[in-house]
Amino acid sequence: DQQVKQNSPSLSVQEGRISILNCDYTNSMFDYFLWYKKYPAEGPTFLISISSIKDKNEDGRFTVFLNKSAKHLSLHIVPSQPGDSAVYFCAASASGGSNYKLTFGKGTLLTVNP
Amino acid sequence: DTAVSQTPKYLVTQMGNDKSIKCEQNLGHDTMYWYKQDSKKFLKIMFSYNNKELIINETVPNRFSPKSPDKAHLNLHINSLELGDSAVYFCASSQDLGFPTDTQYFGPGTRLTVL
Repeated sequence: DQQVKQNSPSLSVQEGRISILNCDYTNSMFDYFLWYKKYPAEGPTFLISISSIKDKNEDGRFTVFLNKSAKHLSLHIVPSQPGDSAVYFCAASASGGSNYKLTFGKGTLLTVNP
Repeated sequence: DTAVSQTPKYLVTQMGNDKSIKCEQNLGHDTMYWYKQDSKKFLKIMFSYNNKELIINETVPNRFSPKSPDKAHLNLHINSLELGDSAVYFCASSQDLGFPTDTQYFGPGTRLTVL
């Protein structure tokens, strides 16, 4: 039961252009969403997050958009740089219970070509 | 200075063996986790501990036993290894009880291969 789905296993973009990574979720209890970035042979590192009370959060070149009605979020990277090449995981959590846990998608491999 | 470290990085073993993976964090965090990333690439939580107390146990087989000697360490012991245990295991930590706003910091992972 995939509660967090990243339907694009890979994405390739040119340096300087925009990268858009998409994520869909099915659990309506999810109210906090995160993006993690992972380089080969390393663990995931936190990138950016958004609460369900917002529809946009921006941090430098990274912006996350949340569309609650569509249960969809996206990560925009502008401009894309070769160092952004990594696997990007979307994750979600529900704050209603006492034990918060992250549910991850399968990840999207982003390749930024020079 | 590695924030979350795991040993070993690679582990190759035979079916039926018992093995352990160690995790240490030097961030002063109260909560630690074990995740499994299987061949389908899903990263799934297995356990979480807060101040040495088990908080989350995600219906993991009894062959997996986490042990937290202190809040800076969370080790994972696996008995009677099976082929399906082959995966990358990530340790992580966060400041508090895993509140959504608490960033989780991950270790580099341990690739376990069961032959």
